[in-house]
Amino acid sequence: AQSVTQPDIHITVSEGASLELRCNYSYGATPYLFWYVQSPGQGLQLLLKYFSGDTLVQGIKGFEAEFKRSQSSFNLRKPSVHWSDAAEYFCAVAPHNTDKLIFGTGTRLQVFP
Amino acid sequence: EAGVTQFPSHSVIEKGQTVTLRCDPISGHDNLYWYRRVMGKEIKFLLHFVKESKQDESGMPNNRFLAERTGGTYSTLKVQPAELEDSGVYFCASSPTRTEQYFGPGTRLTVL
Repeated sequence: AQSVTQPDIHITVSEGASLELRCNYSYGATPYLFWYVQSPGQGLQLLLKYFSGDTLVQGIKGFEAEFKRSQSSFNLRKPSVHWSDAAEYFCAVAPHNTDKLIFGTGTRLQVFP
Repeated sequence: EAGVTQFPSHSVIEKGQTVTLRCDPISGHDNLYWYRRVMGKEIKFLLHFVKESKQDESGMPNNRFLAERTGGTYSTLKVQPAELEDSGVYFCASSPTRTEQYFGPGTRLTVL
């Protein structure tokens, strides 16, 4: 069965530090890959997506993610975190033959000043 | 452009009662999805509408859940009768294509 693993439930970083959130997926072929962010009281907002092509994907708010086929990973990165980045981050995949998104359990990011 | 809206934002009901959640998608989006997040778990797919037709309802937990989409516009998700394990956050999303889903803020349902 397809699954998404986000091994870090909670991460705390200092403002200005770099960030990497991990995501691994289990699927026979390369699915569509997504990162969403949910700030308190808000819906899920799409940060970036990967369908094919260049394996380094740029998103909104200064985020990027790198697809590594050999590791079945799609890790999210940001070089310098801002206090406003504190939120919950979700990695998701969509197999090519279906619309349904399969989500990881999320990583809650806390940012200290 | 207005985003996906959901009503109510919170609902607290007793076990055995009925609750109806509403989702208004972004205008013009034919695809509408419902998802649910139970406390501490991942967000799980419930079902997918294309206009007024159910395209995929493989994620619906049981027959206590009924989803409708009137005229291909707004959608409702009814839980009848509600059980304790139905508590969670219910998300709605809409999409003009099959590749990007726009999510609403969710409805937090608490069943006591």
